[in-house]
Amino acid sequence: QSALTQPASVSGSPGQSITISCTGTSSDVGAYNYVAWYQQHPGKVPKLMIYDVNNRPSGVSNRFSGSKSGNTASLTISGLQAEDEADYYCASYTTSSTIVFGGGTKVTVL
Amino acid sequence: EVQLVESGGGLVQPGRSLKLSCAASGFTFSDHNMDWVRQAPGKGLEWVGRIRKKSDSYTTGYAASVKGRFTISRDDSRNSLYLQMNSLKIEDTAVYYCVVLGPFGYWGQGTLVTVSS
Repeated sequence: QSALTQPASVSGSPGQSITISCTGTSSDVGAYNYVAWYQQHPGKVPKLMIYDVNNRPSGVSNRFSGSKSGNTASLTISGLQAEDEADYYCASYTTSSTIVFGGGTKVTVL
Repeated sequence: EVQLVESGGGLVQPGRSLKLSCAASGFTFSDHNMDWVRQAPGKGLEWVGRIRKKSDSYTTGYAASVKGRFTISRDDSRNSLYLQMNSLKIEDTAVYYCVVLGPFGYWGQGTLVTVSS
């Protein structure tokens, strides 16, 4: 099972919106609505930001939203803030009953 | 408060074995599938494997990179999760996290395993 494909880096200015893509196949992202997004600050434990494509856990800012089209999922961060600077990982359930992560995207706030 | 506390990490030589433990509290452990996720130094997240709950017959699944070498088990009476790692390779060096994936998103703090001669 190959890792999901994410851009290595995405950047934006404070207040802007950015979108991170996560491309898989019909055997993972395209097969189920089980896509999650995690935020990880340096030296910290990953934090769940989105689950089941577009659901936010309690306590996560509504500036974070998720979507999916075909084999590609996306995470959008609106009203970008300095605290959003972190690594972001997508993950998907697969038809082999395994989990696959994306390679990660470094978000930089300019 | 949900807590997942991993233990058992350390320095081990290639080819040797190591067993990690994860103590869970603050939620009904037996109701959840449990996963191990690892992160090599400076690298991304990699799913290691899963053990499902009793109602799903405690079935397990593993990443191709560890299948046949790693075994996940659980003891619901002790609220504990385990990862038995055999035939360790240098590329198994990573922080190993005990995790409840899905809508709960519970992660432990991780335990570092270093495989080196």
